[in-house]
Amino acid sequence: DAGVTQSPTHLIKTRGQQVTLRCSPKSGHDTVSWYQQALGQGPQFIFQYYEEEERQRGNFPDRFSGHQFPNYSSELNVNALLLGDSALYLCASSYTGQGRYSNQPQHFGDGTRLSIL
Amino acid sequence: ELKVEQNPLFLSMQEGKNYTIYCNYSTTSDRLYWYRQDPGKSLESLFVLLSNGAVKQEGRLMASLDTKARLSTLHITAAVHDLSATYFCAVSNTGNQFYFGTGTSLTVIP
Repeated sequence: DAGVTQSPTHLIKTRGQQVTLRCSPKSGHDTVSWYQQALGQGPQFIFQYYEEEERQRGNFPDRFSGHQFPNYSSELNVNALLLGDSALYLCASSYTGQGRYSNQPQHFGDGTRLSIL
Repeated sequence: ELKVEQNPLFLSMQEGKNYTIYCNYSTTSDRLYWYRQDPGKSLESLFVLLSNGAVKQEGRLMASLDTKARLSTLHITAAVHDLSATYFCAVSNTGNQFYFGTGTSLTVIP
């Protein structure tokens, strides 16, 4: 049973460029959340997708956008990259189903390490 | 915005000793999670605490939740080297958004 998978594992970009990160949720999960984890910090919530819509958003600028596909996989897009966007980007999945919220823990992927030069 | 604070941030302890990591959060929540992260790796779920007074134990780790005090503790008993990692607590609001603490970096010394 595959867990949460993310690609690529590492990425190097320069300031001003755009990047797309990808995530496939754990089998049976329908909700995907994205987090940014700077070095030495805890993960910071970016946004969450459920039923192909952004359900909740953290305190991140509009340069951060996302998408969820009918197969529940998701993409995170970041435009006009800044040096401060260098971080580990984590995708987490969970199951919501017909209920509004879940008490289950989120399952995390191994992350994408993004470095901005 | 819900804030989560952990202390200590860094913990160095000898094998065989006991210690407690504390997690305080700023607003009402009845869902608290503990995660472990090894260097360069992702987060692994340890405990889910869903009600006041909840206590969960797994091996040398025991987690508890006091929702009235907005406090959770992670107690380590007779530490071993394999427990060296960074431990995060996370609180979830009704929107399923997870707020993480800054983490406690634990090093167990032989």
